[in-house]
Amino acid sequence: AQSVTQLGSHVSVSEGALVLLRCNYSSSVPPYLFWYVQYPNQGLQLLLKYTSAATLVKGINGFEAEFKKSETSFHLTKPSAHMSDAAEYFCAVRTQTLSGGSYIPTFGRGTSLIVHP
Amino acid sequence: EAGVVQSPRYKIIEKKQPVAFWCNPISGHNTLYWYRQNLGQGPELLIRYENEEAVDDSQLPKDRFSAERLKGVDSTLKIQPAELGDSAVYLCASSLETRDRGSYEQYFGPGTRLTVT
Repeated sequence: AQSVTQLGSHVSVSEGALVLLRCNYSSSVPPYLFWYVQYPNQGLQLLLKYTSAATLVKGINGFEAEFKKSETSFHLTKPSAHMSDAAEYFCAVRTQTLSGGSYIPTFGRGTSLIVHP
Repeated sequence: EAGVVQSPRYKIIEKKQPVAFWCNPISGHNTLYWYRQNLGQGPELLIRYENEEAVDDSQLPKDRFSAERLKGVDSTLKIQPAELGDSAVYLCASSLETRDRGSYEQYFGPGTRLTVT
């Protein structure tokens, strides 16, 4: 079974400050990991993904995430927050079933990023 | 290139009434997903289609929910009869997935916000 835990339903930062959104996963097989962003009344948009290549993944809008197998983590960071970064962020994991069948995506509960001027 | 199109964007119905949601995926995408997103939660997979075939439908409440994907393109999700607990955002996503089905990103539509009164 696979699962995703996002620590903190809300994260509040000042504009220009470091953004850190936490994600821990549980998977019995090597995972594929994703971060998505959702703006109000919109669908989810991919920020970045980890597919077993480089452990440090760079995405759009200056975001990056590091896969740490020993910590089962895939935290999202951005050096300097912008007001436009205020949104809901979702971590997701996809792993293959043990029978080698489907890849089923599982999403975390989301973290709301609040950016203060 | 047009994104994933969903309609309607908003729907308000009384309980016990039927409702249907429509999704047009990105052209050429062979895999289509329906998700339900409750307030303050991440998306939960209802059903996934590979071309015309429905797979991974274990989370679809089959007593009241049905889905179809005619000709492997557009898809319709239906609820009959609707219950108060069905109020949520219903998201459609599509992707182009072949052998390695774990690493492909999904493209999401804006969703249909359903309110059952």
